[in-house]
Amino acid sequence: AQSVTQPDIHITVSEGASLELRCNYSYGATPYLFWYVQSPGQGLQLLLKYFSGDTLVQGIKGFEAEFKRSQSSFNLRKPSVHWSDAAEYFCAVGAWSGGGADGLTFGKGTHLIIQP
Amino acid sequence: NAGVTQTPKFQVLKTGQSMTLQCAQDMNHNSMYWYRQDPGMGLRLIYYSASEGTTDKGEVPNGYNVSRLNKREFSLRLESAAPSQTSVYFCATSGGQGWDEQFFGPGTRLTVL
Repeated sequence: AQSVTQPDIHITVSEGASLELRCNYSYGATPYLFWYVQSPGQGLQLLLKYFSGDTLVQGIKGFEAEFKRSQSSFNLRKPSVHWSDAAEYFCAVGAWSGGGADGLTFGKGTHLIIQP
Repeated sequence: NAGVTQTPKFQVLKTGQSMTLQCAQDMNHNSMYWYRQDPGMGLRLIYYSASEGTTDKGEVPNGYNVSRLNKREFSLRLESAAPSQTSVYFCATSGGQGWDEQFFGPGTRLTVL
């Protein structure tokens, strides 16, 4: 079974500084990887996804992520954070049984705090 | 288009009561999912439906039942609610391929006293 680890429960970053959120996954085959963001009291919004091709993927709101198979990682980055980026971030891996998508396995999330 | 809608938004139950959470989508997606979100636990899959007429258990199915009423609707039922089922419940849909994005509803916040 697949699993996702987000090592950092909380991260505090100053506004304008760069950001990297870590994600490690365990999955036997080629993974389908996602980053979602959740603002307080809201549902989840997709930031970006990877399933094949270029290992550096661009997403919305200026985010990018790099897939590194050798490290089983899919870290999320942003060169300069804004106060509006404060939220909960979830990394997820998707499974595919051949008969249909079996749902996503989520990490436990990283809470991002932005300091003025 | 509304996307994915969930009703109700909030609910308080007493232990032993039953209720059904409703989810509807207008995205013409085949696959639908129910997750629960608890602090520090991320989201965990309860049940999913890869297509109309099929349902399968996810990671935490105990205490829940589901019905895929038609392509648009996927309901989650708690027959006898327990305090451990206090959570935020999210419905999601996808086109059905492993790499497809899942689209999430706004959630239902359930408290069981």
